[in-house]
Amino acid sequence: AQSVTQPDIHITVSEGASLELRCNYSYGATPYLFWYVQSPGQGLQLLLKYFSGDTLVQGIKGFEAEFKRSQSSFNLRKPSVHWSDAAEYFCAASAGGTSYGKLTFGQGTILTVHP
Amino acid sequence: SQTIHQWPATLVQPVGSPLSLECTVEGTSNPNLYWYRQAAGRGLQLLFYSVGIGQISSEVPQNLSASRPQDRQFILSSKKLLLSDSGFYLCAHSRSLSLGLYEQYFGPGTRLTVT
Repeated sequence: AQSVTQPDIHITVSEGASLELRCNYSYGATPYLFWYVQSPGQGLQLLLKYFSGDTLVQGIKGFEAEFKRSQSSFNLRKPSVHWSDAAEYFCAASAGGTSYGKLTFGQGTILTVHP
Repeated sequence: SQTIHQWPATLVQPVGSPLSLECTVEGTSNPNLYWYRQAAGRGLQLLFYSVGIGQISSEVPQNLSASRPQDRQFILSSKKLLLSDSGFYLCAHSRSLSLGLYEQYFGPGTRLTVT
């Protein structure tokens, strides 16, 4: 079965520190991969996506993610975290083809930022 | 630009009462539409998706149903709510980037509490 796993339920970092949120996928073929961010009580905002090509993708708000086929991973990174980055982050995948863009989500990682 | 609306924003309903949540999209035509549910402490689960008027696919067996009476309108319903229907309901639409590749955008969500 297709699945997306985010191993870390909750991560705490200090403001200005670097950040890496982990995401692993299990699909028959390489899926299309996404990272979304959700502030409390809000909808989801697309941070970045990977379809093909360059394995390091840049997104909004200074985030980037690296696709590693050998590790079935798509980890999200940010060099220096700001207090406003505190939110919940979701990794998602889509099989493409005739899946009509349906997304499978990981369980989410809650990011807390200490001043 | 595309905008997605959901209402109501919050809803408190007693067990056994009916439900109707509405989602509308502006700025696009013939979108794929999706309903997700986010239960407390859990990720997002796809409930329904629609690729056209009157075309509804259900992803999980449940107490809910969906309808798409117009191109840019997606409705989530129930005849009798259960306590387990409580959660945060998100509507999304997708933009096709190329064959098989879609980018999903989410609405602000509806918080449903069944008492």
